[in-house]
Amino acid sequence: QLQLQESGPGLVKPSETLSLNCNVSHGSIDSTTYSWGWIRQPPGKGPELIGSSYSSGSAYYNPSLKGRVTISVDTSKNQFSLMLSFVTAADTAVYFCARLGYNGLINQWGQGTLVTVSS
Amino acid sequence: DIQMTQSPSSLSASVGDRVTMTCRASQSIYNYLNWYQQKPGKAPKVLIFATSSLQSGVPSRFSGSGSGTDFTLTITSLQPEDFATYYCQQSSVPPYNFGQGTKLEIK
Repeated sequence: QLQLQESGPGLVKPSETLSLNCNVSHGSIDSTTYSWGWIRQPPGKGPELIGSSYSSGSAYYNPSLKGRVTISVDTSKNQFSLMLSFVTAADTAVYFCARLGYNGLINQWGQGTLVTVSS
Repeated sequence: DIQMTQSPSSLSASVGDRVTMTCRASQSIYNYLNWYQQKPGKAPKVLIFATSSLQSGVPSRFSGSGSGTDFTLTITSLQPEDFATYYCQQSSVPPYNFGQGTKLEIK
């Protein structure tokens, strides 16, 4: 069964860039059916879609993040990444990588990684 | 953005009970409504998609209904493993917002 695993720093300083990778195993990331996305969940709150990208490079980003987001897909490594710039304490959350169906259903999730923004 | 509002925010029930929780969208999302279950420290898991379709492997005691702006998730005969937080998500229009959750607790 497809598995996703996040990796990256658990602590980021304010105004710096948060960078996370998601390794996909037991399945190919090179798909026209699914897109690959990042979802975050602040402590005690509901999840929020950050954005998603197809392996072709066609991407969607949540407008609430005001141009701070880049999601890249690397088919040669079967992984995708998230970069979120100019972070503040409000960006502290558990970050999940995930696979999205064409209809927006998030049908496969990584286990999540807590990222804290603090000096 | 389409806003999703869940009620109640928390619910106490006993094993064997039947419970219902609701999700309301700020505009019509047709039948593009999904339900997820999340346990502490874990990722959400799909229970129901497209309002009423049961995800493979999910017990039949879970069911969903509704259309347009109002939706419900019903669990019949609650089991100990059902105590968790439930989120609805609209998948009609990006950014596919989630509700704030309903926490189902043991009475």
